[in-house]
Amino acid sequence: DTEVTQTPKHLVMGMTNKKSLKCEQHMGHRAMYWYKQKAKKPPELMFVYSYEKLSINESVPSRFSPECPNSSLLNLHLHALQPEDSALYLCASSPLWDLEETQYFGPGTRLLVL
Amino acid sequence: AQSVTQPDIHITVSEGASLELRCNYSYGATPYLFWYVQSPGQGLQLLLKYFSGDTLVQGIKGFEAEFKRSQSSFNLRKPSVHWSDAAEYFCAVGASGGGGADGLTFGKGTHLIIQP
Repeated sequence: DTEVTQTPKHLVMGMTNKKSLKCEQHMGHRAMYWYKQKAKKPPELMFVYSYEKLSINESVPSRFSPECPNSSLLNLHLHALQPEDSALYLCASSPLWDLEETQYFGPGTRLLVL
Repeated sequence: AQSVTQPDIHITVSEGASLELRCNYSYGATPYLFWYVQSPGQGLQLLLKYFSGDTLVQGIKGFEAEFKRSQSSFNLRKPSVHWSDAAEYFCAVGASGGGGADGLTFGKGTHLIIQP
């Protein structure tokens, strides 16, 4: 099983809503990542978790709150988002947090903030 | 800091023709180089990667790439494209040194269009 699953596939939320994105993998990977991809742009790294600990936070606003409750699950909690946060949010995992390890990407959650 | 340039925003190729997508990187030491493909509405799939060793790297779906240190390039090639190859292609570079460092830096992507 080399699959990373993400739910929901699509999400529409208002600026006052609180929602969460979920990412799951059962490959035994110990590194998990959140990327943000705006339309017609490349993915940009947001967060890296290694062994369930936050290892990189790329100066992401606090309205994005990641959580890694166990080695298979990664959440991204969203609160008070802005319309410019509308994007495709990609989750990825790799065996270890090491560039020699292949990152496997999920299909993404397409988020629209109204 | 590392950076990646993909000079071609769009490329149109006839089905069955050969393909070359260009990628130039900037990094002081030996880079980790990757090519990913993204179909519409999908996540990214790794085509191939280069860390060291043989500079000609074979990947999935019949793709290959050649690392040329003198030109700071890592161009992607395929001898004969299929309509299913139409997608967005991203070149990415990572800093060596282990521990994941700063993660991957992606180029802006090249949109590949296949003509029948």
